[in-house]
Amino acid sequence: AQSVTQPDIHITVSEGASLELRCNYSYGATPYLFWYVQSPGQGLQLLLKYFSGDTLVQGIKGFEAEFKRSQSSFNLRKPSVHWSDAAEYFCAVGLLRGYQKVTFGIGTKLQVIP
Amino acid sequence: DSGVTQTPKHLITATGQRVTLRCSPRSGDLSVYWYQQSLDQGLQFLIHYYNGEERAKGNILERFSAQQFPDLHSELNLSSLELGDSALYFCASSPPLGGSYEQYFGPGTRLTVT
Repeated sequence: AQSVTQPDIHITVSEGASLELRCNYSYGATPYLFWYVQSPGQGLQLLLKYFSGDTLVQGIKGFEAEFKRSQSSFNLRKPSVHWSDAAEYFCAVGLLRGYQKVTFGIGTKLQVIP
Repeated sequence: DSGVTQTPKHLITATGQRVTLRCSPRSGDLSVYWYQQSLDQGLQFLIHYYNGEERAKGNILERFSAQQFPDLHSELNLSSLELGDSALYFCASSPPLGGSYEQYFGPGTRLTVT
């Protein structure tokens, strides 16, 4: 069965600092990979996705993620964090088998300090 | 705005009661997913409907049921409510199979069982 691990439950960074959120997945083939963001009291918003092709994908709000097959990872990065990036971030892995099955990680809560 | 609508936004009810949550997917999307998000369980997949048919079940209790109607809106019915059912309930929709596979989330319904 597919699974997603987000090893960091909570991360604190200073505004302007760089950010990397880790995500590891377990699946026999290359899955579809996603990062979502959830601001307090809101639904989840898609940041970016990877299906195939270039392993470095660009998303909204200045985020990017890199797929590394050898490490089964899909880490999310941002070069300079803004206070408005404080939110919870979810990595998700999906596969298509006649229906779409998406498994979400437990989430990483990002705190941004001045 | 994802284009997915959910009503009501908030719901407060008593134990033992029954409630219905409603979701309208984005225009053109055939899939509807239901998720439960609570502090201790994270984001849990409940059930997936595609064009009116149930496609996959996750951690959905027998007290819960769902359906998708011919106009593609979906309803999640929760009965014999318990305090532990208090949570945020999200629905998400996604493009038809063969599309881009990401899920678009609604703003959620916050259910409080007292």
